Amino acid sequence: GDSVTQMEGPVTLSEEAFLTINCTYTATGYPSLFWYVQYPGEGLQLLLKATKADDKGSNKGFEATYRKETTSFHLEKGSVQVSDSAVYFCALSDQSGGSYIPTFGRGTSLIVHP
Amino acid sequence: DSGVTQTPKHLITATGQRVTLRCSPRSGDLSVYWYQQSLDQGLQFLIQYYNGEERAKGNILERFSAQQFPDLHSELNLSSLELGDSALYFCASSVEGDPTGELFFGEGSRLTVL
Repeated sequence: GDSVTQMEGPVTLSEEAFLTINCTYTATGYPSLFWYVQYPGEGLQLLLKATKADDKGSNKGFEATYRKETTSFHLEKGSVQVSDSAVYFCALSDQSGGSYIPTFGRGTSLIVHP
Repeated sequence: DSGVTQTPKHLITATGQRVTLRCSPRSGDLSVYWYQQSLDQGLQFLIQYYNGEERAKGNILERFSAQQFPDLHSELNLSSLELGDSALYFCASSVEGDPTGELFFGEGSRLTVL
């Protein structure tokens, strides 16, 4: 079945540092890939997405490129802020029985210090 | 605000009891998904409903059941509760048939079983 593996956290950085959170996936078809973010006390919200190979998703300074050859979708940001502290989930959505059910990684906690 | 409403936000109950969690999807969304988030299992897909009908089933225990009503709100029923059922339960909604599979999450219902 489909699965998503992402690096374990917490990832602790100083403000303005470069961020990479690794994500690899296993899927039988051609999935769409997502990064969701969960701020403390809130539900998940979509950060960015890519629907086909070589697509780059970007939002709020975050970027991720859909790499089919390495089955990866790593999240990057050039300069993190304290407000980026949250849990980040990599996910894929693959059609199964006529429906698209996103499969999530376990989440990576990011802590940014001033 | 995602437009998805979940109640109650917090619930504390005892082992062996039964609880009902409620979800109202975004206006116009016909699909509702339930996820369970726990520290050891991450975000696990439980079940999906589309326009009142069960569409997909994930790792949902037999003690758990769900339904979607004609007004499209959904309820997740958890019975014979065990300590291990303590978790954050998320409802999400989507535009069915969207191959990008983006989900819109509520803020969750935190269940504590004592």
